[in-house]
Amino acid sequence: EAGVTQFPSHSVIEKGQTVTLRCDPISGHDNLYWYRRVMGKEIKFLLHFVKESKQDESGMPNNRFLAERTGGTYSTLKVQPAELEDSGVYFCASSERGGGRNNEQFFGPGTRLTVL
Amino acid sequence: SQKIEQNSEALNIQEGKTATLTCNYTNYSPAYLQWYRQDPGRGPVFLLLIRENEKEKRKERLKVTFDTTLKQSLFHITASQPADSATYLCALPRRYGGSQGNLIFGKGTKLSVKP
Repeated sequence: EAGVTQFPSHSVIEKGQTVTLRCDPISGHDNLYWYRRVMGKEIKFLLHFVKESKQDESGMPNNRFLAERTGGTYSTLKVQPAELEDSGVYFCASSERGGGRNNEQFFGPGTRLTVL
Repeated sequence: SQKIEQNSEALNIQEGKTATLTCNYTNYSPAYLQWYRQDPGRGPVFLLLIRENEKEKRKERLKVTFDTTLKQSLFHITASQPADSATYLCALPRRYGGSQGNLIFGKGTKLSVKP
């Protein structure tokens, strides 16, 4: 079974440009999460989808970030316009409806975003 | 606000020894605590969950304890191997009235096991 996949693996853009990150969760997983790790800091929660609905977006830094999950399948996270402080590794994770027995989240490999 | 501290940024041990990693949390009484492993260039991988009513849990060479009075979890790897070298993350579910499962992570402890 394929795990969580993320595209691209790396992205280097200039300040002011737009970048869109994509996440494909494990098939059948209703829950989809976005997290971010800024250098030297811990992984921080951004957003949670249940199917196509935003369950919680309290971690989104500001309105330059827009996340969507069309049809409850893959998700995109768009940053527009990107700022220097947006640099970091963006992780996507998915989990079963209800979280499963261990509330285990399955993480993708991350997208490393560098804003110059 | 809820905080997690993993006391050591790095831990170096000799192969065959037991590695012990510490996770402390404040301002919170979580229903459970999780440990994840992260290798360079990869996302975290779930290892173990321990619930608030469990004192200890084991999985192969891994052992986790959970002391809700001390607000601390200890993560042990016995008979450590070089392949155990990785960053280990402690995670707790966020506390709020919304959805479950969103996690707060510690910064992690980078474990190096020398042959």
